Amino acid sequence: QSVLTQPPSASGTPGQRVTISCSGSSSNIGSNYIYWYQQLPGKAPKLLIYRNYQRPSGVPDRFSGSKSGTSASLAISGLRSEDEADYYCAGWDDSLSGWVFGGGTKLTVL
Amino acid sequence: EVQLVESGGGLVQPGRSLRLSCTASGFNFADYAMSWVRQAPEKGLEWVGFITSKAYGGTTEYAASVRGRFTLSRDDSKSIAYLQMSSLKTEDTAVYYCTRGGGIWSGYRAGYFDYWGQGTLVTVSS
Repeated sequence: QSVLTQPPSASGTPGQRVTISCSGSSSNIGSNYIYWYQQLPGKAPKLLIYRNYQRPSGVPDRFSGSKSGTSASLAISGLRSEDEADYYCAGWDDSLSGWVFGGGTKLTVL
Repeated sequence: EVQLVESGGGLVQPGRSLRLSCTASGFNFADYAMSWVRQAPEKGLEWVGFITSKAYGGTTEYAASVRGRFTLSRDDSKSIAYLQMSSLKTEDTAVYYCTRGGGIWSGYRAGYFDYWGQGTLVTVSS
């Protein structure tokens, strides 16, 4: 069981908006930044969102992050076929003194 | 362009040791913490550990699952980060990714993994 909880799957049609949730606790999301990573099939993870909502250069503004209390979410608008990937949330956990990841959400573009 | 290239993976028997290397280029390696994250076959991501820059003491932190068996080190003169793995178990079988950043210490909570290597596969099996 992952410390951060994500739905195992999500789906949407091209052009739609989808959101992926990430639930944690006061020792991780509640007191530290949250990060989102995209892992395309057969590839290494890629940073998508850092420090809750910031986008690295080159990441389209279709991707947005938010955080409230002990939960966070990743929103993808204008869904495209190339967005089909696994998405992971991550954050530091003060109680464990380590990084924790969500179990990952497999996004399918129908 | 930031590049991280892992090497040293392969097939190893349970109880044996293996050392992974991560060769960095495109940035001032000495200025950054370096981390390792692994992914077992068809599973999610798991943090392994990080080593801070020498400026912050070269401090290391490890996941509970590898503490006491794995050791991180770095050679700033060669821009290489190492992951020494000993007493390997079958459950250590995974693709091991080298990442830049991820260092967290008292007074600094803003570290994160911004660049990732392509990964190297470690298979622990008899």
